[in-house]
Amino acid sequence: EDQVTQSPEALRLQEGESSSLNCSYTVSGLRGLFWYRQDPGKGPEFLFTLYSAGEEKEKERLKATLTKKESFLHITAPKPEDSATYLCAVQANQAGTALIFGKGTTLSVSS
Amino acid sequence: NAGVTQTPKFQVLKTGQSMTLQCAQDMNHNSMYWYRQDPGMGLRLIYYSASEGTTDKGEVPNGYNVSRLNKREFSLRLESAAPSQTSVYFCASSYTGNQPQHFGDGTRLSIL
Repeated sequence: EDQVTQSPEALRLQEGESSSLNCSYTVSGLRGLFWYRQDPGKGPEFLFTLYSAGEEKEKERLKATLTKKESFLHITAPKPEDSATYLCAVQANQAGTALIFGKGTTLSVSS
Repeated sequence: NAGVTQTPKFQVLKTGQSMTLQCAQDMNHNSMYWYRQDPGMGLRLIYYSASEGTTDKGEVPNGYNVSRLNKREFSLRLESAAPSQTSVYFCASSYTGNQPQHFGDGTRLSIL
């Protein structure tokens, strides 16, 4: 069964304290892995797509990496405005267009 | 830059009532999706439409129907609402099935 597990469930950081969020997955052939950010009361906002092991994408303080079994979202020198829930989703080759989402990591950054 | 627009934003229903959630996108996307999000669970796909004129079931389709009205609009209907359908419903769209999905801000639905 295709599955996505995110850890930790919640993460509290001080401003400037870098860390990483993990997304481990088991799928029958990975078509793509997606990272989203979700603010309270809002819909998920697309951040990155990764397609193959070794691929990396960066945007401001965020950097996403991909291996054959997991993806990491590295947050460098976070600011309070980076506080949000970060969602990971995978698209499997045999699942058509469906995305399988993890439950998310809720990040809180305090000043 | 409206993106994906969902209406209504909030709704309270009584058990057994029917309701249609509306979704429209202005990005000329071909594929559209309906998800539900419940506390402690990830987003789960209800139905999707890969292209205008087609619809397919997702992971949790029971109790729902959909209509792809045209390329822009994709509606979700609850024929006889049940308390288990209390959730936040998100509509999303993508240019093709392999491209990133872009989400609306959701409809918060409570069924008493």
